[in-house]
Amino acid sequence: TQLLEQSPQFLSIQEGENLTVYCNSSSVFSSLQWYRQEPGEGPVLLVTVVTGGEVKKLKRLTFQFGDARKDSSLHITAAQPGDTGLYLCAGANAGNNRKLIWGLGTSLAVNP
Amino acid sequence: GAVVSQHPSWVICKSGTSVKIECRSLDFQATTMFWYRQFPKQSLMLMATSNEGSKATYEQGVEKDKFLINHASLTLSTLTVTSAHPEDSSFYICSAAGQVVEKLFFGSGTQLSVL
Repeated sequence: TQLLEQSPQFLSIQEGENLTVYCNSSSVFSSLQWYRQEPGEGPVLLVTVVTGGEVKKLKRLTFQFGDARKDSSLHITAAQPGDTGLYLCAGANAGNNRKLIWGLGTSLAVNP
Repeated sequence: GAVVSQHPSWVICKSGTSVKIECRSLDFQATTMFWYRQFPKQSLMLMATSNEGSKATYEQGVEKDKFLINHASLTLSTLTVTSAHPEDSSFYICSAAGQVVEKLFFGSGTQLSVL
């Protein structure tokens, strides 16, 4: 069974601080997606990384896919209260890239 | 981007009643739809995968007679929670994938509260 270990599970920081969320697996994924979800809403796709070693930036968010495509990280610079939410990573396999393997999620609270 | 509409957004019902949740793809044909269950501040738990015109594939531990899934058209899938009990209270989310677009689009979720 493929697993995605996501850490930390909970994170509470002050506005302006930096943070990194990690997703690790012993399995190789064809791609990995990061989502952000607010309470009472469905997840919203932030980014998809496909190539080993790939780095993508979305404003203050930096996403990296490991060289071996087994792990990924999300780094937020100068966090703001608007970044508060549940961050989810999800990995896809080449054979069935619609049935995602989900991490457990990171609940982030950014305090003003 | 593609839009998936999920209805209702929230529902409160008495124990023993059945509740139907609809998931519609508004601007694309969804050949595959997924149904998830989610507890507060936790990740999504895949319940079942449904393909248009065929029976849904349920994940291990999910009762297919309890959670009835129908994917009768390329734009609509429904999840019916039969004889709901308080332990069925949860946030249910659907997602849809088209034939060409290799992406998932999520509904906004349904909060079910069973009294």
